[in-house]
Formats: sequence, structure tokens, C-alpha cells
Amino acid sequence: DAGVTQSPTHLIKTRGQQVTLRCSPKSGHDTVSWYQQALGQGPQFIFQYYEEEERQRGNFPDRFSGHQFPNYSSELNVNALLLGDSALYLCASSLEISGANVLTFGAGSRLTVL
Amino acid sequence: GQSLEQPSEVTAVEGAIVQINCTYQTSGFYGLSWYQQHDGGAPTFLSYNALDGLEETGRFSSFLSRSDSYGYLLLQELQMKDSASYFCAVRLMDSSYKLIFGSGTRLLVRP
Repeated sequence: DAGVTQSPTHLIKTRGQQVTLRCSPKSGHDTVSWYQQALGQGPQFIFQYYEEEERQRGNFPDRFSGHQFPNYSSELNVNALLLGDSALYLCASSLEISGANVLTFGAGSRLTVL
Repeated sequence: GQSLEQPSEVTAVEGAIVQINCTYQTSGFYGLSWYQQHDGGAPTFLSYNALDGLEETGRFSSFLSRSDSYGYLLLQELQMKDSASYFCAVRLMDSSYKLIFGSGTRLLVRP
């Protein structure tokens, strides 16, 4: 049973570019959350998707957007990249009916902005 | 605002017991969770305390005291593979879909 898979694992972009990160949730999970983790810090909540809708958003600008597909997979898009966007981007899935107390995380996509 | 405070780093010897504390200043929340993250790896769920008291899962135990705004993770019979970062996290009642994480405690287990 595959857990959460994310792609790409590493990528390098330059300022002003756009990036799309992808996530496939754990089999059976229907809810996907995205987190940003700076080096040496805890994950910071970006947003959560359920039933193909964004239902909660953290303190991130509109440059960060996302999408959830009918098969529950998800994408995170970041436009007009800034140096400060360099971080590990984590996708976490969960089952709505079980509540949000246990998240299954992927290994993340490491984004470097030059 | 909401914040969870953890020591930045803890060092312990293989076979010993270590306690990682988490103090918080936050409004109502559903419970306290703990996650482990090895370098380059995914955070993995360890335990969850919905109620005050001790929860035990093998070598790991977690404790919550809402009256003291305090919790801890206890690791017994430390093994080298326990070297990792440990995060406490809460899910707030007024923004219930997100977890707020502490900044993490880096545990180094020495032989």
C-alpha cells in the first residue's frame, strides 16, 4: 500500500518563475493538505483540499494556489517565485471521516529558488 | 497568537530515557500530536493525546496537561535510529483543518 507520493523530489528555479508540485495521497484518503517547511523549522500550513475545493487557507499570499482532482491527487502552484519560497513542500493526506488528528506525510519536494 | 515551544536540541545516550517538552500558548484545541522526522524524510505520526494523561505506544509515551499548558514525549530504551527531529502539534478548534507545529526538537542519540 503506497503512502503519500510527491514529485518532483528536488527542483531549482529562478526568481519570478512558476512551479507546480504534485501529490498523490495515501490509498483511501480523500483530504490533502500542503505545508511549507523552512530549514530547521516546523511545517507551516498552506491550505487543505477536500472534495476538490480549498476549504481552509493559512497565511500565504495568493501566489500560492492549488487544485484537487477527482482521484484526490493534488497540485500546488507557486507563481512569481521569491528567494524566500525556498523550502521543503510537504503534502499530507488524511481521511475526512476520521478527523484531522493523524496526517500521513510525503517526503516532500525540495524547492530552491536562485 | 498561538505558539508551541520546544527545546531546539537534546542529546542522550543509547539505552537511556529522554523527555522532550512542549509548552504552548494557545486557545482551545482538540489535542496534542507528536511527529518524528528523520533528515530528508517525511514527518511520521507518533502519538495523539486528546485528553489529559499518559498515552503509551511501545517505547514511546506522550503526556498532556491542559491545566499546565504542557505536554511531553518520552522515549525509552533509546536507539541510534531515534536520532531525528520531533515536533509537537495542535489542531485549533477555531481553525480546525490545520495543524500548528512547534519548531521541533533535534534529538541526537550517542553510543
